[in-house]
Amino acid sequence: EAAVTQSPRSKVAVTGGKVTLSCHQTNNHDYMYWYRQDTGHGLRLIHYSYVADSTEKGDIPDGYKASRPSQENFSLILELASLSQTAVYFCASSEGGNQAPLFGEGTRLSVL
Amino acid sequence: AQSVTQPDARVTVSEGASLQLRCKYSYSATPYLFWYVQYPRQGLQLLLKYYSGDPVVQGVNSFEAEFSKSNSSFHLQKASVHWSDSAVYFCALRVNTGNYKYVFGAGTRLKVIA
Repeated sequence: EAAVTQSPRSKVAVTGGKVTLSCHQTNNHDYMYWYRQDTGHGLRLIHYSYVADSTEKGDIPDGYKASRPSQENFSLILELASLSQTAVYFCASSEGGNQAPLFGEGTRLSVL
Repeated sequence: AQSVTQPDARVTVSEGASLQLRCKYSYSATPYLFWYVQYPRQGLQLLLKYYSGDPVVQGVNSFEAEFSKSNSSFHLQKASVHWSDSAVYFCALRVNTGNYKYVFGAGTRLKVIA
């Protein structure tokens, strides 16, 4: 069964600390995405990737890095976490082309 | 620039009533459009998608949506809602910039009351 798995599901981080959010897909999809969700803003694209070892900036990349070491794995890295990065983060994958993205369950990040 | 607007942040309807959730898009090329639903503390689940052809598309759980090129709209509809339909609904647009991105609206929170 197609799946996108995110870890951790929730995390509390300290301001200035480093945070890594992980995403793993078993769908053999080329595309992977990281979105953040804030109340009133819907989902906003942070970074995405359409092939391993390559990432692209989305609409709000500042303060975030991404890494795609393999087709299955896509990480989001906050080198210096800030209060404003408190949000729910969603990973998604898609075949690209005509297939709708498949989403993970989300990671709830609180930066204190 | 491409965008998706969902003008209603919250909608409340009575159980058994009909429903329409509005979505307007802005995109100069052929739009590929989607509706997703999000239940509390869960990820987004695909309800339906439109690529081409018949402007009325059927989705899961008796939802349907109608595409209108002239109005740049893709409204979601259901003939009779159930309390379990209470959730947040997102409209999304696929953007082709040489590779594919998906732009989401801000979402509409639906509350179904008895």
